Amino acid sequence: KAGVTQTPRYLIKTRGQQVTLSCSPISGHRSVSWYQQTPGQGLQFLFEYFSETQRNKGNFPGRFSGRQFSNSRSEMNVSTLELGDSALYLCASSLGASGGFYNEQFFGPGTRLTVL
Amino acid sequence: SQQGEEDPQALSIQEGENATMNCSYKTSINNLQWYRQNSGRGLVHLILIRSNEREKHSGRLRVTLDTSKKSSSLLITASRAADTASYFCATPAVQGAQKLVFGQGTRLTINP
Repeated sequence: KAGVTQTPRYLIKTRGQQVTLSCSPISGHRSVSWYQQTPGQGLQFLFEYFSETQRNKGNFPGRFSGRQFSNSRSEMNVSTLELGDSALYLCASSLGASGGFYNEQFFGPGTRLTVL
Repeated sequence: SQQGEEDPQALSIQEGENATMNCSYKTSINNLQWYRQNSGRGLVHLILIRSNEREKHSGRLRVTLDTSKKSSSLLITASRAADTASYFCATPAVQGAQKLVFGQGTRLTINP
């Protein structure tokens, strides 16, 4: 099975611009989660999508949004970029079954976003 | 905020030695996981230990979990240069949820 893929791998933007990042989960996985990693704050959860619905959300401003398509691929969007949005953005996919069970998450290589 | 606190923040040892990293967490959990990250790349899942388990092994890795102390440890035996990476513990924020809360990580350097 192919792993989780993220595109693009690297991105440079300027303040005020917006950006869209893409994540393709492992085939058969229905849950996609997004994380932001910075040196100062570490790894922080952004949101999780399951069957095209946002199921969990972290503490990020509304400039951060996401969506999931019927094929489970997910995109996240950051509008009005700020310098502090420079980070490694990681997505993770899992089977995502509910009912109190936790499913192992598989992470992609990440997208390195630099905001100038 | 981080649920897990890892100790030490950085560890440097000689190849062949054992490396031990510790993780403490704050709330009750049903599982705890350890991940490895090489040089700002993606996370690689190492091992998951459930709350009713006390110890788990995977190759050169040994993980222990003490729910009474809300702590876990990761032991890497016979370290190799390729083990140089950052190691993170993570716990689900809510039971059954896919939302993981990560510690700040331990930066492990294996010297040849």
